[in-house]
Amino acid sequence: GQNIDQPTEMTATEGAIVQINCTYQTSGFNGLFWYQQHAGEAPTFLSYNVLDGLEEKGRFSSFLSRSKGYSYLLLKELQMKDSASYLCAVSDSNYQLIWGAGTKLIIKP
Amino acid sequence: SQTIHQWPATLVQPVGSPLSLECTVEGTSNPNLYWYRQAAGRGLQLLFYSVGIGQISSEVPQNLSASRPQDRQFILSSKKLLLSDSGFYLCAWSSGVEGQPQHFGDGTRLSIL
Repeated sequence: GQNIDQPTEMTATEGAIVQINCTYQTSGFNGLFWYQQHAGEAPTFLSYNVLDGLEEKGRFSSFLSRSKGYSYLLLKELQMKDSASYLCAVSDSNYQLIWGAGTKLIIKP
Repeated sequence: SQTIHQWPATLVQPVGSPLSLECTVEGTSNPNLYWYRQAAGRGLQLLFYSVGIGQISSEVPQNLSASRPQDRQFILSSKKLLLSDSGFYLCAWSSGVEGQPQHFGDGTRLSIL
């Protein structure tokens, strides 16, 4: 079967760094996406990884290890507006997205 | 630039009533279109996707159906809603090119009474 695992909830402090992990087992792999979803809103695209390594975009970075079936999203200099759910999604052999349940990130002052 | 419109934003319907949710995309042609449902605190469940006019693939057997009467229009329907149909419904589009993300509409929060 296909499976995406993420922690359900994480808490971090404003100004700090947090790493959200995602492990996957899918039929085929054509890339991994990270999305941000604020409560009651639609998901918005953050990053895409298809090759091993780190992709940096401002305060957000995403890492991929295909051999380990593992990715993480790294958020630096946390701000209160970063409080949201972060969804990991893998593009499978048919280019369909398999979604994780999301990690709810709570930022405390 | 491309935009996606989805309406209504919220909907309260009685059990057994029909449903029609509409989604339109602007600024692109021949997009891939998707309908998802998200239960509270859960991930996204793909309901239907379409790669062209009149082409619909169903991922989950249920009392919902989808249609694509025009290139950039995607409609989600039901003849008789169930309590279990409550949820957050999201329409999305993508270019279909490998590595390009899906972009979501604002969603419809559906409550069944």
